[in-house]
Amino acid sequence: GESVGLHLPTLSVQEGDNSIINCAYSNSASDYFIWYKQESGKGPQFIIDIRSNMDKRQGQRVTVLLNKTVKHLSLQIAATQPGDSAVYFCAEKREAAGNKLTFGGGTRVLVKP
Amino acid sequence: DGGITQSPKYLFRKEGQNVTLSCEQNLNHDAMYWYRQDPGQGLRLIYYSQIVNDFQKGDIAEGYSVSREKKESFPLTVTSAQKNPTAFYLCASSTRKSTAFFGQGTRLTVV
Repeated sequence: GESVGLHLPTLSVQEGDNSIINCAYSNSASDYFIWYKQESGKGPQFIIDIRSNMDKRQGQRVTVLLNKTVKHLSLQIAATQPGDSAVYFCAEKREAAGNKLTFGGGTRVLVKP
Repeated sequence: DGGITQSPKYLFRKEGQNVTLSCEQNLNHDAMYWYRQDPGQGLRLIYYSQIVNDFQKGDIAEGYSVSREKKESFPLTVTSAQKNPTAFYLCASSTRKSTAFFGQGTRLTVV
């Protein structure tokens, strides 16, 4: 079946270290991948996205890597800060399925001072 | 002030009653989505709509209904057929070729 999944439910990171959040997907027809950050009681906030014809995209302190060979997506956060503590979701979008947007289960990132 | 507005923020419903959650966007986005989120869980797709007067069932559509009469609006009705409606409901919108942006959610509680 189609799914977007995550390897680790919780990630503890020391403040200042880099964080890496992983995500596996099963549908090779996905066109677009998105990372979101969700703080408690709030809606998901867009972080960064990448199209399926790209391998890497960088933003401010964040980098998304896409490996289509093994259907793997990762989000790297540089110099993790206390404000980065949240749940992170990956999502995939398929234009051929009416732009259906499917989410993974989420990874909680805890930043230790 | 552009964005996606969900209302109300908190909603209480008696068992057996239908209730409608509002979602409005002024981003001129074609696609709109409704998700359900249970505590400590991910987002599950209820319904989505690519264009006005058209919508598709997501993964957990049973007990819910939607309409898309206007581009800006995509209301979700939680019917009495939904056996466990207490959850956090999230609405999103997007263009065809870009990312989706979310509202701040409606927390529905059955009392």
